[in-house]
Amino acid sequence: KQEVTQIPAALSVPEGENLVLNCSFTDSAIYNLQWFRQDPGKGLTSLLLIQSSQREQTSGRLNASLDKSSGRSTLYIAASQPGDSATYLCAVRRLSGGTSYGKLTFGQGTILTVHP
Amino acid sequence: GAGVSQSPSNKVTEKGKDVELRCDPISGHTALYWYRQSLGQGLEFLIYFQGNSAPDKSGLPSDRFSAERTGGSVSTLTIQRTQQEDSAVYLCASSRGGHDYEQYFGPGTRLTVT
Repeated sequence: KQEVTQIPAALSVPEGENLVLNCSFTDSAIYNLQWFRQDPGKGLTSLLLIQSSQREQTSGRLNASLDKSSGRSTLYIAASQPGDSATYLCAVRRLSGGTSYGKLTFGQGTILTVHP
Repeated sequence: GAGVSQSPSNKVTEKGKDVELRCDPISGHTALYWYRQSLGQGLEFLIYFQGNSAPDKSGLPSDRFSAERTGGSVSTLTIQRTQQEDSAVYLCASSRGGHDYEQYFGPGTRLTVT
């Protein structure tokens, strides 16, 4: 059974810092990995999708890397801003398993607070 | 364009009553997913529809839960004889289909069973 772990559970940083959020998964047979942010009381916003054949994806100040063999992904946020404050979730999609292709398995999330 | 929409945004119901939650996916998206998010369990997969294929129901927690998708578009999640442990936020997502594509989530329906 796939298990996804995110470290740290919570992180508080001053504005302007660069930071790294970590995600690990127990089964390396994944199809892809997706990073999301969730604001309080809201749904999930997709940030980056990394296919299993890719090593990293970038979008603006965000960079996500994937090391499938070691079961790890990191989300790097450059020059953090108060507006980055949210819960960040990573989720993996299995490579095999018949109809289980579709579902995502989520980590518990990292609560990020960026203070001015 | 319009994103995934869900209704109602909040639902309070008495234990034992049935509820229906609705999801309107992004137009043209062939895949639709239901998840639920609760404090103790995090985000859990419930059910997945892909085109005309049989849905993947492997995440439904009991036979009180069911879902249908009519005409390949709108989906309804039904919970019969609600229990207090059903209280959670129910999230719907859609994607263009296939496994290469990102899932886009709706704002969710917060269900409270009293």
